[in-house]
Amino acid sequence: EVKLVESGGTLVQPGGSLRLSCVTSGFTFNTYYMAWVRQAPGKGLEWVANIKQDGSEEYYADSLKGRFTISRDNTKNSVHLQINSLRADDTAVYYCARGEHYDVLLDPWGQGTLVTVSS
Amino acid sequence: QSVLTQPPSMSGTPGQSVAISCSGSRSNIGSNYVYWYQQFPGTAPKLLIYYNNQRPSGVPDRFSGSKSDTSASLVISGLRSEDEGDYYCAAWDDSLRGGMFGGGTKLTVL
Repeated sequence: EVKLVESGGTLVQPGGSLRLSCVTSGFTFNTYYMAWVRQAPGKGLEWVANIKQDGSEEYYADSLKGRFTISRDNTKNSVHLQINSLRADDTAVYYCARGEHYDVLLDPWGQGTLVTVSS
Repeated sequence: QSVLTQPPSMSGTPGQSVAISCSGSRSNIGSNYVYWYQQFPGTAPKLLIYYNNQRPSGVPDRFSGSKSDTSASLVISGLRSEDEGDYYCAAWDDSLRGGMFGGGTKLTVL
């Protein structure tokens, strides 16, 4: 069974940093792109970033470039999202998902981890 | 404001068919595959349609997708109460070099 489990979400103050993790199992991790998607409370889905199988290519949403960094560890079947200079509008559930190529074919998704940015 | 435009809400009665539209541009829908995701409150999204019109195993054939030029459509036929939820289209954008989601359509089954 394919499983993706996110962690690292918490309450953080504006200006702070956070590293989200997604540990996977049930598939050959290093043969898939991995992606992060977020959803603010009561809002729609927002694609955040994805990373190639060997980590050699990363793509980011234009509005998030510079503060977000996606990385992966193929020895631990995990993908990470580093978020710096957190702002209130970064408050969201962050989902990791298995990707197909650089595209937006995302299947399956993890259950999500909630990041709350507030003082 | 999303690059891909969907109606915010739609409704239908059991047994009816509904079509959810997704409008984009040449750099996204016009050049790449379209995907559709289904989401119920409090749960993660689920892939519903891939490569414009393909259904993953387990998705009923009541769900169908199509694409024409810079627009796409998700049709749900034989509407059922359990179809009530949020539906999102998605596509890669070559100009922005990133993924895009539509704003989502909330489907209500009356």
